Amino acid sequence: GNSVTQMEGPVTLSEEAFLTINCTYTATGYPSLFWYVQYPGEGLQLLLKATKADDKGSNKGFEATYRKETTSFHLEKGSVQVSDSAVYFCALNSGNTPLVFGKGTRLSVIA
Amino acid sequence: DAEITQSPRHKITETGRQVTLACHQTWNHNNMFWYRQDLGHGLRLIHYSYGVQDTNKGEVSDGYSVSRSNTEDLPLTLESAASSQTSVYFCASSESSSRERTQYFGPGTRLLVL
Repeated sequence: GNSVTQMEGPVTLSEEAFLTINCTYTATGYPSLFWYVQYPGEGLQLLLKATKADDKGSNKGFEATYRKETTSFHLEKGSVQVSDSAVYFCALNSGNTPLVFGKGTRLSVIA
Repeated sequence: DAEITQSPRHKITETGRQVTLACHQTWNHNNMFWYRQDLGHGLRLIHYSYGVQDTNKGEVSDGYSVSRSNTEDLPLTLESAASSQTSVYFCASSESSSRERTQYFGPGTRLLVL
């Protein structure tokens, strides 16, 4: 079945540091890949997505590239801000199936 | 603007009581989902529906039920609440097209079972 593995947190960075959160997946067919973000006390918001191999999703300075050869979808940002502190979830689905989530990575950015 | 709402936002109940959590979306989406979020487990799927009168079990469906009588609503019922069901519950919806797979989430319901 489909599954997602993402790096365990928590991750603590200083403001303006480079961020990478690793995500790898196992899936049948051609999944769509997502990163969702959850700010404290809120629901999940879509951060970015990619629907086919080599696509790059980007939003708010975050990027992730769909790598079929390494079954990965790592999240990156060149310079994090305190306001980026949140929990980040990698997820996938195939066809019309429900999303399968990783366990989430908590990011704390300190000034 | 289209949205997805959940009520109540917070609920405290006692073991053995029946509890219903509401989810309402104005996206006119056919697909609706219920997840629970627990520390160390991420989000796990409870039940989902692909349209009116359709319901399906997810990974952690024991002790929960849903019914879909219209497009907008998918209430989640805990038949006899247990302390293990203390969690944060999220509802989500999406289009049924295989091209658009993004799920949109509600703000969540925090449930405490004493």
